[in-house]
Amino acid sequence: NAGVTQTPKFQVLKTGQSMTLQCAQDMNHNSMYWYRQDPGMGLRLIYYSASEGTTDKGEVPNGYNVSRLNKREFSLRLESAAPSQTSVYFCASSEVAGTANEKLFFGSGTQLSVL
Amino acid sequence: QKEVEQDPGPLSVPEGAIVSLNCTYSNSAFQYFMWYRQYSRKGPELLMYTYSSGNKEDGRFTAQVDKSSKYISLFIRDSQPSDSATYLCAMTYTSGTYKYIFGTGTRLKVLA
Repeated sequence: NAGVTQTPKFQVLKTGQSMTLQCAQDMNHNSMYWYRQDPGMGLRLIYYSASEGTTDKGEVPNGYNVSRLNKREFSLRLESAAPSQTSVYFCASSEVAGTANEKLFFGSGTQLSVL
Repeated sequence: QKEVEQDPGPLSVPEGAIVSLNCTYSNSAFQYFMWYRQYSRKGPELLMYTYSSGNKEDGRFTAQVDKSSKYISLFIRDSQPSDSATYLCAMTYTSGTYKYIFGTGTRLKVLA
């Protein structure tokens, strides 16, 4: 049972470099999310995709772009990485966003350091 | 003021103890309340969810919601070293705007 798979698990970037974090889910979920987790700040939503073909900003979207490639895959791109983007990034999925008892399923995370 | 407040811990207890983890919130519109468990270097996994006020029990875990006090709790009975993890509360409501808010998490260590 793969669930939500994220790649890579670790990444070190220099300021100004770009990269794409990949995420795929095999649970036939409609909705997918990108969160970042920082000490003392908890999980903060960057972007989400309620369904294939739609994306919306979350709480902290600046400096990021996303692509919902198909129902299974949702990527997060950092165009010009900054040290403030050093964080652990989690991809998640759910059956349908915005339902009252929505349950999120998370990947194992990507630890990103920007020097 | 954050919408959801959670004591970061760490909370250290001996094996077999009863653990109480808590969150407070400020928005009375929250309807569903979840607890996620996160092991070190892993993603959070859903542990329990409850709707509105009351208790829900699942094995050694009990989730409690007091909407009048805007306070939720997770109790762990007969705690085990394998329960050592960070516990995050989360809550959500549907009112046109998407809201799924997480607490910052409480780190729990159960000592053998």
